[in-house]
Amino acid sequence: EEQLLESGGHFVQPGGSLRLSCAASGFTLTSYSMNWVRQAPGKGLEWVSSLSANGLAIHYADSVKGRFTISRDNSKNTLYLHLNTLRADDTAMYYCAKARSGDLSPWGQGTLVTVSS
Amino acid sequence: DIQMTQSPSTLSASVGDRVTITCRASQSITGWLAWYQQNPGKAPKLLIYRASSLESGVPSRFTGSGSGTEFTLTISSLQPDDFATYYCQQYSSFPYTFGQGTKLEIK
Repeated sequence: EEQLLESGGHFVQPGGSLRLSCAASGFTLTSYSMNWVRQAPGKGLEWVSSLSANGLAIHYADSVKGRFTISRDNSKNTLYLHLNTLRADDTAMYYCAKARSGDLSPWGQGTLVTVSS
Repeated sequence: DIQMTQSPSTLSASVGDRVTITCRASQSITGWLAWYQQNPGKAPKLLIYRASSLESGVPSRFTGSGSGTEFTLTISSLQPDDFATYYCQQYSSFPYTFGQGTKLEIK
């Protein structure tokens, strides 16, 4: 069974940094595009970033470009999202999800990032 | 960026009803559209991909249709587990974008 497990969400002050992790099991990250999607409290879904299977194509939402970095560790079969210069509007549940053609499944259970002073 | 607009934002219905949710794209996305169901406190779950393909394990009462800029998700006979929020997503081009969501409520 394919599963994703996020971790690393935390309470952080504006301007701070975090690293989110997404451990994959049941499949190999290098075979699929992987994505991060976030959801602010009570709001809808917002796509954040994508890393292609071969690791050569990376995309970011304009709202996080220059502040967030997606990466992976093939030996650990783990996806990461590095969050820098955090703002209050980055407060959200962050989900990782495996993509086929761009449709996302499965999703992890999410990890909560709260940015507040 | 491609804008996705869902309607209605809220839908009240009863168990056994047939309901339809519409998703419109600001430009053609051919058939690169997915539908997701999200229950409170849970991660989204893929229901439909490529506009009309049913994800494995999803009940056949869920049907997707459309192409180009207009798409629909139909639930043929609502079951108690179906009262949730539904999102469409285009994956024709980056940035991927989602509709704002449709909350399906019990009447």
